Parts: sequence; C-alpha cells; structure tokens
Amino acid sequence: EPEVTQTPSHQVTQMGQEVILRCVPISNHLYFYWYRQILGQKVEFLVSFYNNEISEKSEIFDDQFSVERPDGSNFTLKIRSTKLEDSAMYFCASSEAKRDKVNTQYFGPGTRLTVL
Amino acid sequence: AQKITQTQPGMFVQEKEAVTLDCTYDTSDPSYGLFWYKQPSSGEMIFLIYQGSYDQQNATEGRYSLNFQKARKSANLVISASQLGDSAMYFCAMRELWYSSASKIIFGSGTRLSIRP
Repeated sequence: EPEVTQTPSHQVTQMGQEVILRCVPISNHLYFYWYRQILGQKVEFLVSFYNNEISEKSEIFDDQFSVERPDGSNFTLKIRSTKLEDSAMYFCASSEAKRDKVNTQYFGPGTRLTVL
Repeated sequence: AQKITQTQPGMFVQEKEAVTLDCTYDTSDPSYGLFWYKQPSSGEMIFLIYQGSYDQQNATEGRYSLNFQKARKSANLVISASQLGDSAMYFCAMRELWYSSASKIIFGSGTRLSIRP
C-alpha cells in the first residue's frame, strides 16, 4: 500500500542553523501539508500546498519557514534559522484532490527535530 | 472558529472490552468532516475512520465505529473487542469544507488509551 515517507527520522541541530525536512507524498496525491507536534501537545497545522503554491498557512508559519516541491516527488520544509521552540515532531501529509470524496489526509511517520 | 474537545486525557480498559473515546466539536460551517487518527508510541499518525457531516449513517471500519450525533456535535470513537495493540494516543480531528482538499485539519488534544491484559 502506498505511503508517505519522510527523511530523516530524527534531526539534531544547533540553534540558528538551517534545516530541511524532506517528504515524499503518495504518488497520485496533489495536496501536501506540514503539521507539527510539540512533545506532549496537540498536532498543529503549519501549511498546505497545491499546484506549486501555498494554499493556506497558520500563524506559526512565519518568514523563517518555507516549503518547496523541487521535483516531481519531493516536498520539503525549510526552517531558515532554528530556535529552541522549533523542537517538535514534524509530519508531512498528502491527499488526493477529488471533489466527490472526502480526500483523507495520510500522514508520514514524522521527523523528530531537536534544536540544541 | 472550529474547535475539537477531547475530555479524557487517559483511559484504561481491559482487553476484549469495548471502549468509547469521547469527542465534541464546534463549527459554524455546515460542511465538515470528522476523523480519528491513532498515534502509537512509535509516533506515526494512522488514519482510522472518517464521517462526513451530511452522511446519514455512522461510519464503520472493522472494529472501529464512529458514533456521530450531529445535534449534540459529538463524534465518539467506539473500538469493539479491544486488543493490546490498540494501546496508543487517539486524536479526534475535523476539517471544515471537507470537500476541499486544501483545508487544514484541526486536532483535539488526544486520549491516551491503555489496554490491560
């Protein structure tokens, strides 16, 4: 069964460094998302992406964040200058774009980002 | 504004018993979808079941069923015949304008379910 994959599974970085989190969505999906979950807290929406542009973003997704689909398979989240409070699990998700069904979002296994 | 409330931070259930995880929601949008996800200790988010706001019947997927009471704005997850592998965190979630795949999912705070052998 097709699944969303994410790399790396765990990333440790120093405060102020740039990180890029990578995702490979399910191949026939057209909508892509990033969510994050700070340890012990609820999952929070960051950004949605469709047709090579951002569809929606949350207040969390400030100028330090950016997303890109550099080729036909990868979807990346870049954090330009990491802060301690960016430490979290980051989930990529994808869904189809069919208007006659619910289009469930399927999540990847997550990347645990630790900022020291 | 949309909101999801899960009032049970943790639950303990004996193996093979049925369990109900509570979820209430708030939205002013008549079109929405409700979801349940399972998060085991390994961290991944596993989709379990969904219910559309216009669906007439409660959704079922194997041992999972969703008790959807629209007037009360509740969407409780029922797991029948619980198994040790059901021990995990369970999140209730909602998406307004469910027919639009671009709309974000809002998650509740989760319920940690522990199954006793």
